[in-house]
This record gives sequence, C-alpha cells and structure tokens, in this order.
Amino acid sequence: GAVVSQHPSRVICKSGTSVKIECRSLDFQATTMFWYRQFPKKSLMLMATSNEGSKATYEQGVEKDKFLINHASLTLSTLTVTSAHPEDSSFYICSAVTGHLKGQPQHFGDGTRLSIL
Amino acid sequence: GQQLNQSPQSMFIQEGEDVSMNCTSSSIFNTWLWYKQDPGEGPVLLIALYKAGELTSNGRLTAQFGITRKDSFLNISASIPSDVGIYFCAGQGLGAGSYQLTFGKGTKLSVIP
Repeated sequence: GAVVSQHPSRVICKSGTSVKIECRSLDFQATTMFWYRQFPKKSLMLMATSNEGSKATYEQGVEKDKFLINHASLTLSTLTVTSAHPEDSSFYICSAVTGHLKGQPQHFGDGTRLSIL
Repeated sequence: GQQLNQSPQSMFIQEGEDVSMNCTSSSIFNTWLWYKQDPGEGPVLLIALYKAGELTSNGRLTAQFGITRKDSFLNISASIPSDVGIYFCAGQGLGAGSYQLTFGKGTKLSVIP
C-alpha cells in the first residue's frame, strides 16, 4: 500500500519551456502532498505543501509564480516549472500523506530528473 | 530551514558487518522516520517510530526513538551489497497535526563484497 507515482521520470527540454510534473497517490487519498527539490549529494529541500482544494503553501525563497502547484483532487498534484532555465535543472520529488490517520508518514514518488538545456 | 545532525556522513564497510547511524536534534519530534534512497529514485520508508523509547525492527534493520524525543539511531545487521545507498533520518510533527519532515543530511553507505 501507499504507492506514489510520479511522471515523467526524466525530462530534457529547452530553456524557456514550461514543464509539468504529475504526482499521483495510487491506492490512497492524499489530503496533503509535498514537493521537494534535491541537488546532487544533498538532502531533500521542501519547496511547498499542497492541500487538496486549496492554495499551496510555499517555503521561504521559493517563487510561487515560477513553480505552480495544483492539487485538484485527492489523488493528483501537479508541479509546473514555468519558463524553465538551466538553473532549474534538478531532481524534483513529491510525497503524499493521508490526513485521515494521525501520524502517517510521507510516502515518496520516484522523482523527476529535470534537465534544462 | 532546520536540519537534523546525522552521522556519519559516509561509511565503507565489509559485507556481513553491522552498521550503525544516528540523528540528533535540538528540537523534539513526535515521529522519527528512516528512509533509504537509491540513486535516481525517491526515498523509501524503512521504519517509522511513534513513541519515545520505542524500539522497532524491520528484518535486519532496527531503529529506536530516543527517550528525550530528540534523537534516533538505525542499525543494520549483517550488511549485504543491496544495502548500498543513502539513508536519511527525518523528524515529523513539530506542530500539532503537522506532517512536514525535517531531514538529516544523509549517510552514504558503501558495502564492499
């Protein structure tokens, strides 16, 4: 149980392109999803917290107009990197947790390797 | 943001040896979690600890939630090559109902066959 699917696993695109990454909870309803960014050999850095049906809460220093998050259903959240530039290249990982059971841990997707040329 | 102090940063061990890593924090957490991350993949949950003093096993893995709620350790017994990866500790629940995680910087484990 608690499977989180992330798509695509890898994307390479030109500078200026907008890229959408999907995060789905396959066997549970995710009231809350999280988006992380991970640089090589570093730990995960939280970008934003997404609650179904409401606006995402962004961490300090994360541009909300640059990283658009939509959590339209209990099983899907999307992260759109708008007008991507080479400095946006990174490993992006989502996680999901159900709010129905107290203290449930986050379960992570397999990540998306984004490379901007 | 705040990070946990995780040590060691990396370790090279012989196959069959036992491994121990730990995390400490200046803050109290309600839950301690241990994840393993393989290259190019997302973290996979290994063990979740919910009560201070709790000792939990998952196969060859054993983890404990410190009695002060500010630390945790993970032990791996009889290591095998597939144990290679980066292990992260994470504290959860700084605030009431909070699901946010605070991560350690990771321990990179290398197992020599």
